[in-house]
Amino acid sequence: AQSVTQLGSHVSVSEGALVLLRCNYSSSVPPYLFWYVQYPNQGLQLLLKYTTGATLVKGINGFEAEFKKSETSFHLTKPSAHMSDAAEYFCAVKGNFGNEKLTFGTGTRLTIIP
Amino acid sequence: NAGVMQNPRHLVRRRGQEARLRCSPMKGHSHVYWYRQLPEEGLKFMVYLQKENIIDESGMPKERFSAEFPKEGPSILRIQQVVRGDSAAYFCASSPGGTSGRTEEQYFGPGTRLTVT
Repeated sequence: AQSVTQLGSHVSVSEGALVLLRCNYSSSVPPYLFWYVQYPNQGLQLLLKYTTGATLVKGINGFEAEFKKSETSFHLTKPSAHMSDAAEYFCAVKGNFGNEKLTFGTGTRLTIIP
Repeated sequence: NAGVMQNPRHLVRRRGQEARLRCSPMKGHSHVYWYRQLPEEGLKFMVYLQKENIIDESGMPKERFSAEFPKEGPSILRIQQVVRGDSAAYFCASSPGGTSGRTEEQYFGPGTRLTVT
């Protein structure tokens, strides 16, 4: 079974400041992890994913995340926030081979302060 | 290359009516997933389908909900006798379904926002 916990349902950062969105997971198999972004009234867009290999994963729009097995974490970061980053962010873990459904966290709403 | 298409984008139904939500996966994709997003919540898995087969429906409510993905045409999520609690955004996602399995990305559609009055 898999589960995802996102700490902080709302995060506010100033424009130009570091963005840190937290995600911890639980998985009975080696985890495949994803971060998605959702803009208002839109679908989900993939930011980045970790499957195997390098634990630091770079995604679109300057975001990156680091897989830390010992901490069961996959936190999302961006060095300098931009106004266009304001959105809802979801961390997800994938199911086992043959049933690759995604289990999502409850989401973190990111607000950027001008 | 068109993305995942869902229609309608917005659907209003009165209590007791039926709702039909359609999803056309990306070209070449044979796996379809349906997720539901209740207000202020994350997405919850509902059902996973391949062409003409339901692989996992563990997230589907036991009554009133059904899904299909026929050999030809879009995937359909059907909700009979809707109630106010069914009001939500319903998202469809698709993936190629090749041998790369778990590494494949799921591509999401824009969603159908169902309002039950």
